[in-house]
Amino acid sequence: LAKTTQPISMDSYEGQEVNITCSHNNIATNDYITWYQQFPSQGPRFIIQGYKTKVTNEVASLFIPADRKSSTLSLPRVSLSDTAVYYCLVGSTFGNTPLVFGKGTRLSVIA
Amino acid sequence: GAVVSQHPSRVICKSGTSVKIECRSLDFQATTMFWYRQFPKQSLMLMATSNEGSKATYEQGVEKDKFLINHASLTLSTLTVTSAHPEDSSFYICSARDRGLNNEKLFFGSGTQLSVL
Repeated sequence: LAKTTQPISMDSYEGQEVNITCSHNNIATNDYITWYQQFPSQGPRFIIQGYKTKVTNEVASLFIPADRKSSTLSLPRVSLSDTAVYYCLVGSTFGNTPLVFGKGTRLSVIA
Repeated sequence: GAVVSQHPSRVICKSGTSVKIECRSLDFQATTMFWYRQFPKQSLMLMATSNEGSKATYEQGVEKDKFLINHASLTLSTLTVTSAHPEDSSFYICSARDRGLNNEKLFFGSGTQLSVL
């Protein structure tokens, strides 16, 4: 299972764009990159998933370079409610292979 | 997206009693579910993989006789914490894969906060 490395914490002001980068140097060919958001005392919430290049949905964008050894979650114009822990997970999305969580990035949005 | 329902959301029990936590996939079938445990300010730790119709696979250091997992149907997995002790107090989270389209996404329940007195 590919190991991931993220910054432990980040601070941002409201309205700014936040980019959280995750390193996953030993990502395998079959692995997808998935980002989750977790609020205190809640289960993780799926944000976005990608394999290569760029993926965008209504809440975030995910940038993946050609070598796939890292990825960047981009949150546009964050608000106070985006304060949470963000996890980058790498792994196969098929069968019974679990996803192993790293330490995550604690994002604090300040007014 | 797919919904994973987990109950109860919070339970307080006396030391020595057993507690059952249910995890249901509401609008999809899940042959595999995963159970995680999370202590305050820490990340999720994988406990076991629950397979429908077969025995669960436990991670190293997780006692299978203490954390009983049953996955009797394609939409339900249960985790029973037997003879709970205060050190078992934790946030337990289940997850399941929605096998839709070409790749599968992992969705999580809302978690169960277990407090053992």
